Amino acid sequence: IAGITQAPTSQILAAGRRMTLRCTQDMRHNAMYWYRQDLGLGLRLIHYSNTAGTTGKGEVPDGYSVSRANTDDFPLTLASAVPSQTSVYFCASSDLYGNEQFFGPGTRLTVL
Amino acid sequence: GQQVMQIPQYQHVQEGEDFTTYCNSSTTLSNIQWYKQRPGGHPVFLIQLVKSGEVKKQKRLTFQFGEAKKNSSLHITATQTTDVGTYFCAGGIQGAQKLVFGQGTRLTINP
Repeated sequence: IAGITQAPTSQILAAGRRMTLRCTQDMRHNAMYWYRQDLGLGLRLIHYSNTAGTTGKGEVPDGYSVSRANTDDFPLTLASAVPSQTSVYFCASSDLYGNEQFFGPGTRLTVL
Repeated sequence: GQQVMQIPQYQHVQEGEDFTTYCNSSTTLSNIQWYKQRPGGHPVFLIQLVKSGEVKKQKRLTFQFGEAKKNSSLHITATQTTDVGTYFCAGGIQGAQKLVFGQGTRLTINP
């Protein structure tokens, strides 16, 4: 693995279904983030984690949950997907000091 | 909440023309970062500015951070087709490791 990987690359999901987006980094970064990107709205922070075992809410956390059991993995779960969660989701990581964020390739999610 | 506004939303230029995008925050920032996202790609870090009034250059790109640490700009001189993409500013929040992203400026270029 080099950098950050995300899975799946894309997914079409029925409304009401549960979905987990996976994110793994191999840079030993302390901080990890989940963003959603919608046209005209830029990147909006969903949840973040400053270190393994801790998480925090971002700008648009409703309908999403995260966990950080270890340094490398930061999964994002949609408990019951709704059409407004159709978006491109990016995972990112950075060092302890909040410097440069490294982004994964993204997951394109469509909720019907 | 914390907001970072970026203008313009879109910019179309002829190759060789200059391009500027502006970023304004409602509150004082600890730092400002700039990212570039190519069509279909993911954001890639360009630079970070930390000091009040700081100016940094990367070849044809010039980045500025305002004296009050509330605004920033990215200027590209003599655009090339490789500059196509969306440019995002992201403001660092005081005392936190979070960034607040602007809406981005999508640059398209006529060759």
